[in-house]
Amino acid sequence: AQTVTQSQPEMSVQEAETVTLSCTYDTSESDYYLFWYKQPPSRQMILVIRQEAYKQQNATENRFSVNFQKAAKSFSLKISDSQLGDAAMYFCAYRRRGETSGSRLTFGEGTQLTVNP
Amino acid sequence: GAVVSQHPSWVICKSGTSVKIECRSLDFQATTMFWYRQFPKQSLMLMATSNEGSKATYEQGVEKDKFLINHASLTLSTLTVTSAHPEDSSFYICSARIVWDRGLNQPQHFGDGTRLSIL
Repeated sequence: AQTVTQSQPEMSVQEAETVTLSCTYDTSESDYYLFWYKQPPSRQMILVIRQEAYKQQNATENRFSVNFQKAAKSFSLKISDSQLGDAAMYFCAYRRRGETSGSRLTFGEGTQLTVNP
Repeated sequence: GAVVSQHPSWVICKSGTSVKIECRSLDFQATTMFWYRQFPKQSLMLMATSNEGSKATYEQGVEKDKFLINHASLTLSTLTVTSAHPEDSSFYICSARIVWDRGLNQPQHFGDGTRLSIL
């Protein structure tokens, strides 16, 4: 079974600075997807960034980028120029590539990010 | 973009009543929808996978008679919490994937969740 681990229950960062959230996962699959979701106090799940395991290039979405280390099974999220609106719970998630039965997401425990003004 | 509508967003009811939560895909068809439960400051826990036209697949430890799931169409799945008790109070979230996605890189689309409070 796949597992996703986020070892940082809480993180804080000063506004405009950079923060990195850690995520490791365990799987025997070779083809899969990894995601970072943001859940603000409204509790809406917002997709931040995604990475296909077969791609070596790290995904980037504006101020958000990942460091994907497939051999180490590590998938960290870097937030640059942090903004107050970035404050939220962040979840790392894994999904096996394949048909519908394999499309379930496995979530990590979450990291609560605080952005200090 | 794809939108998933979940209703109601918040419900308070007495112990012993049944509560139905709806999850609709508004602009796409979804053969599969997922139901999650989330306790405060915790992660999302998959309860069941809802398949259109067939029985739902429940995760280990989830009572299928307690949490009834019906996926009668490609755009609607419902979760009914039967004879709800205070311990069923939680945040319930649904998600869906586009039907034509066969292993392609399409993320799940989440509803906004339902806060259930049982008195």
